[in-house]
Amino acid sequence: AQTVTQSQPEMSVQEAETVTLSCTYDTSESDYYLFWYKQPPSRQMILVIRQEAYKQQNATENRFSVNFQKAAKSFSLKISDSQLGDAAMYFCAYRRLSGGGADGLTFGKGTHLIIQP
Amino acid sequence: NAGVMQNPRHLVRRRGQEARLRCSPMKGHSHVYWYRQLPEEGLKFMVYLQKENIIDESGMPKERFSAEFPKEGPSILRIQQVVRGDSAAYFCASSAQGATNYGYTFGSGTRLTVV
Repeated sequence: AQTVTQSQPEMSVQEAETVTLSCTYDTSESDYYLFWYKQPPSRQMILVIRQEAYKQQNATENRFSVNFQKAAKSFSLKISDSQLGDAAMYFCAYRRLSGGGADGLTFGKGTHLIIQP
Repeated sequence: NAGVMQNPRHLVRRRGQEARLRCSPMKGHSHVYWYRQLPEEGLKFMVYLQKENIIDESGMPKERFSAEFPKEGPSILRIQQVVRGDSAAYFCASSAQGATNYGYTFGSGTRLTVV
């Protein structure tokens, strides 16, 4: 079974600084998808960024980028120029490539990101 | 273009009662997923449905929990004879097709409290 591990329960960063959130996963699949979701106090799950495992190039979305290390099964999220609105729980998630019914996401336990003004 | 709508937002039930959670997918989406989030935990997959079909219920508890997605109307997650351990946030997500790589669109969740 796939597992996703986020080893940092909480991280704190000064506004405008850069922070990196860690995520490792375990799978026997060679092709899969990885995601970072943001959950603010409103509880809404918001997709931040996604990565296809077969793509070597790291995904980027404005201030958000990932460092995908497939051999190490590592998928960290870097947030540049942190803003107060980035404060939230961040969840790393995995999904296998092929469906066959098992399309569910596997989530880590989350990292609580605090932005210091 | 409303997103995924879940209601109620908050639900309080006494032990032994039934809880019904509703999810209306985004317009044009015919695939629905239910997840449960316990306190201090990530979301855990429960069930994946298409219209009138359960595709994958590998994450559903064997007893007391059921889900449906009828031809007309919202998807319903039903919990019979609720216990304190059922207290959690329940999220619904939808997609236009099952094997999508876009991680679905989530609703805002229903927070169930069992007293």
